[in-house]
Amino acid sequence: QVQLQESGPGLVKPSQTLSLTCTVSGDSIRSGSYYWSWLRQPAGKGLEWIGRMYTSGSTNYNPSLKSRVTISVDTPKNQFSLKLSSVTAADTAVYYCARARPGLFDFDYWGQGTLVTVSS
Amino acid sequence: QSALTQPASVSGSPGQSITVSCTGTSSDVGAYDSVSWYQHHPGKAPKLMIYEVSNRPSGVSNRFSGSKSGNTASLTISGLQAEDEADYYCSSYRSSSTLYVFGTGTKVTVL
Repeated sequence: QVQLQESGPGLVKPSQTLSLTCTVSGDSIRSGSYYWSWLRQPAGKGLEWIGRMYTSGSTNYNPSLKSRVTISVDTPKNQFSLKLSSVTAADTAVYYCARARPGLFDFDYWGQGTLVTVSS
Repeated sequence: QSALTQPASVSGSPGQSITVSCTGTSSDVGAYDSVSWYQHHPGKAPKLMIYEVSNRPSGVSNRFSGSKSGNTASLTISGLQAEDEADYYCSSYRSSSTLYVFGTGTKVTVL
């Protein structure tokens, strides 16, 4: 059974960089053929796709966030990470990591999500 | 980015059938069969319920079914049960750099 778990600071100051890690169990990030993704959901709003990283290491980002986002992988730890720079209150949200299936454009496994608040 | 449109809430009594709609455009729902549906109980991981418009992943009850007509996709829950009470989101591939677009979400209440 594939499981994903987000971790990271729950509070980030404005203008700083938000950093989150997703630990994957039950699957190897490097050996499968999936997209490892980040999404978020502000309170009372819908889900927003942030970006994804393929098994090969190639990445795609939502154009609305592209200038501030970096997704990377730590293969030995079977983790992938999200960095979002220059955060504002608008970046306050529950952040999810998920596994996406190529060609199907769906997310078959998700983490439970972690709330990140941007506030001084 | 504009989201797909879903009703804010849908309700039904146990045993009844309900349908949740998801309206997009000719650049997403209307153009591709990459429509998926997710069930989300607050505080838990979202769960994939339907993929490619009408396919159910292994382990998902056959009480859940999906369809599409034009720019609108639909999720039907038949034989409604208390455990079905949750938030439901649709998603679609979009032919732009955005790639994935989600619905506004629907709260399903079992009366």
